Amino acid sequence: AQKVTQAQTEISVVEKEDVTLDCVYETRDTTYYLFWYKQPPSGELVFLIRRNSFDEQNEISGRYSWNFQKSTSSFNFTITASQVVDSAVYFCALSPGTGRRALTFGSGTRLQVQP
Amino acid sequence: GAGVSQSPSNKVTEKGKDVELRCDPISGHTALYWYRQSLGQGLEFLIYFQGNSAPDKSGLPSDRFSAERTGGSVSTLTIQRTQQEDSAVYLCASSLTSGTGVHEQYFGPGTRLTVT
Repeated sequence: AQKVTQAQTEISVVEKEDVTLDCVYETRDTTYYLFWYKQPPSGELVFLIRRNSFDEQNEISGRYSWNFQKSTSSFNFTITASQVVDSAVYFCALSPGTGRRALTFGSGTRLQVQP
Repeated sequence: GAGVSQSPSNKVTEKGKDVELRCDPISGHTALYWYRQSLGQGLEFLIYFQGNSAPDKSGLPSDRFSAERTGGSVSTLTIQRTQQEDSAVYLCASSLTSGTGVHEQYFGPGTRLTVT
C-alpha cells in the first residue's frame, strides 16, 4: 500500500519569507514517481513537478525547489521569497511506476502568504 | 491547447436521484482518471482508463458508481441513487502514457456535486 503524509496542515508566512512544505511517503515499489500539485482558491489542480525514484537530483525552477531524499522517504518543496500569489493548498502525490498509475495524495498543506 | 474540461461545473440533486458527470480529456491523452475530493476524505482515486484495456475500478466506493469511456476519449461517471455522502468535487484528469514511465496528470476544474 502507498501512503503520503503532509504533516503541516496550514502554514502562514509573510511575503518574501522562504517556506518549506514537507512530504513523507511510504511505498514498497522500487520504481515510483512523486509529484507536487498546487490548488489555488480557484480550485483547479495545477501540476508543478514530477520526479522518479531513480533521480535524486534536486531541482530548481525559479523560486521553487524540490529536495528528494530516498534515505528518509521525503520529497520536500521550498518556495523562496514567497509571494501572495503562492497562497494555495499544495498536495504531494505518489504513483507506482507500473500497473495502476493512479495518484495517492497527501492531505495537503494550506499556505497563506500575507502581504 | 485546450485542457481537460468537465461538465456540469455544479450539480445539485435530490437524494436517490441518478447523476451523470462528463469529462473531456486533453486530445491525445490515452489515460483518464476520476478522483473525488471531499473535506473528510481528501483526494481519492475512483477509476482509471488506459487505452482499450479494461478499466481499473478498484477505487469506486460502491456499486452505485460506474464509469465509461467512449471512443477512447470522453468519459462519463454515473452515480445511481445518490446519497448525501456522495457530495464532493469530482475531478477528472488525463495523461499521456508510454510503455515505461509515468506522466503527469492534468486535471479539469471539477464538478461540485451537492446531494440534498
